[in-house]
Amino acid sequence: DAGITQSPRHKVTETGTPVTLRCHQTENHRYMYWYRQDPGHGLRLIHYSYGVKDTDKGEVSDGYSVSRSKTEDFLLTLESATSSQTSVYFCAISATDSAYEQYFGPGTRLTVT
Amino acid sequence: GNSVTQMEGPVTLSEEAFLTINCTYTATGYPSLFWYVQYPGEGLQLLLKATKADDKGSNKGFEATYRKETTSFHLEKGSVQVSDSAVYFCALTGAGSYQLTFGKGTKLSVIP
Repeated sequence: DAGITQSPRHKVTETGTPVTLRCHQTENHRYMYWYRQDPGHGLRLIHYSYGVKDTDKGEVSDGYSVSRSKTEDFLLTLESATSSQTSVYFCAISATDSAYEQYFGPGTRLTVT
Repeated sequence: GNSVTQMEGPVTLSEEAFLTINCTYTATGYPSLFWYVQYPGEGLQLLLKATKADDKGSNKGFEATYRKETTSFHLEKGSVQVSDSAVYFCALTGAGSYQLTFGKGTKLSVIP
């Protein structure tokens, strides 16, 4: 299994509060991704990174920001959480020698009340 | 843009039955195609892949063939087990892109 951890695994927060989710990898892979999973939508890409300090927006980036100051860590921040951001968030990584295959972390279940 | 359409679930089968989950796609150029599986409470795992037309991906008894003429990548297994109960996602990456586009997922339940 790819060495990917996410923290926290579960979080309940109130509307309007900032939230940061962390993805940590031990594989030294170049590409990292944040997805959200919602019933009836499958997985949708929020942001991705193709190197330290190199990030770009995905399909559903509004309300989210990311940062990558080290190869192993990719942070997802909800600046002011809303109930529509209640979801399960998955981090993924791509191996540098097989960039088309992505390996997923265990997920973070976020509830915004 | 790219899109993936897979059959609606849930699908319920008896053990040892034959499984087909349909997947069709829209993409420009020559995408790579994937099936991912998500077991309850876990993240997604890559099940199989195909990177060019007529390629057959296979793993754990599952197979899928990249059919460019019908833009399809149907997942099949000859004899399902209870342990195959999971949600299956079809996905693609477009030519020159590292971004995955997913279908909505199909939940499979296998009963003894």
